[in-house]
Amino acid sequence: NAGVTQTPKFQVLKTGQSMTLQCAQDMNHNSMYWYRQDPGMGLRLIYYSASEGTTDKGEVPNGYNVSRLNKREFSLRLESAAPSQTSVYFCASSEYLGPPEQYFGPGTRLTVT
Amino acid sequence: SQQGEEDPQALSIQEGENATMNCSYKTSINNLQWYRQNSGRGLVHLILIRSNEREKHSGRLRVTLDTSKKSSSLLITASRAADTASYFCATDESGGGNKLTFGTGTQLKVEL
Repeated sequence: NAGVTQTPKFQVLKTGQSMTLQCAQDMNHNSMYWYRQDPGMGLRLIYYSASEGTTDKGEVPNGYNVSRLNKREFSLRLESAAPSQTSVYFCASSEYLGPPEQYFGPGTRLTVT
Repeated sequence: SQQGEEDPQALSIQEGENATMNCSYKTSINNLQWYRQNSGRGLVHLILIRSNEREKHSGRLRVTLDTSKKSSSLLITASRAADTASYFCATDESGGGNKLTFGTGTQLKVEL
């Protein structure tokens, strides 16, 4: 039982390049989330998916797209990376109608030069 | 915008002492949660307190919630070096559908 897994762990991109961050959970959770964490800012919600087939914007969605591929997987795409997107990205999952606590992956550290 | 503001930003104590960190928030909430983050790791859920509760305990953790002041506190008793981490409060806003808004965190260092 791996919980929430994220790939890759580290990535360096040049400005304008694209990439997809992958997230998978094996807890049969309905809801999944993408956050970014910047120094001194706590976590900010980028996008979330309350259940399979739905996605909604969070606090900071600009420059990102998401895909809820199936119940297990939720990917985050940067179409044209910018230095302002240098951050640590966390994926999380939770029950939709059950206990509201979220379970987090280990994070992806992204640097855009 | 950040819902929760935490203080202090950083706290350094000796092993065996108690650590208290505070969180303030802005809107009505369903519940408030506390998470721990060890350096370079993801967040781990510690404890949840619902809006109709005033105090909750879990092991060495004690959480209080004052909805009239829109504030919460986390007390860690008899701290250990292994408690060294960042602690974040997160609020689940009324009607927010399990979306959490995180505070800026308190960095706790417990020294031997």
